[in-house]
Amino acid sequence: QSVLTQPPSVSGAPGQRATISCTGSSSNIGAGYDVHWYQQLPGTAPKLLIYGNSNRPSGVPDRFSGSKSGTSASLAITGLQAEDEADYYCQSYDSSLSGSVFGGGTKLTVL
Amino acid sequence: EVQLVQSGAEVKKPGESLKISCKGSGYSFTSYWIGWVRQKPGKGLEWMGIIYPGDSDTRYSPSFQGQVTISADKSISTAYLQWSSLKASDTAMYYCARPRIGDADAFHIWGQGTMVTVSS
Repeated sequence: QSVLTQPPSVSGAPGQRATISCTGSSSNIGAGYDVHWYQQLPGTAPKLLIYGNSNRPSGVPDRFSGSKSGTSASLAITGLQAEDEADYYCQSYDSSLSGSVFGGGTKLTVL
Repeated sequence: EVQLVQSGAEVKKPGESLKISCKGSGYSFTSYWIGWVRQKPGKGLEWMGIIYPGDSDTRYSPSFQGQVTISADKSISTAYLQWSSLKASDTAMYYCARPRIGDADAFHIWGQGTMVTVSS
């Protein structure tokens, strides 16, 4: 089990909004370390979606947004599209591990 | 164009050694950290460790410390991940990835992955 907890799956209808949570602790998210989010389409390498809690790399649609509060972070996807169906992972630094960690991943299904 | 190009798929037997590579191009190789990430079949991402090729400063996840060795040859802009004695449980896709300059965390650039299969 990862020190960052994500729901195994979320789903939503096209055009709707989906949110994915990432719950950590006082040694990672709660300690003020940044949270990053990745999208992994089937059979491909992960792609950075959000860095530094809420920043989008160039080319990432503004339908994707990130936020952080306390020991948790969230990824929100608005206007769901079929191509958003993928696995999503959060990442943060953990001081007790002296390194970065990923969440267990969440599979997003667009109904 | 900034790229990380990884070596090809490997099929090995338990107990064998292996070194896979990740070649950086299109940027100053010695100025950016490079990390390694494991993904077992059907499973999630695992952060293994990271190296700064400029001075070979290397950090490992406790889960991988002593199990693998991360290194880099800055003369050929290449980072490596190696095993001295593979186990069947090392079967996985391995990705190298690079953060932005001055950062060692969020991976902005990813290699295509190297599939390692360990089977007798």
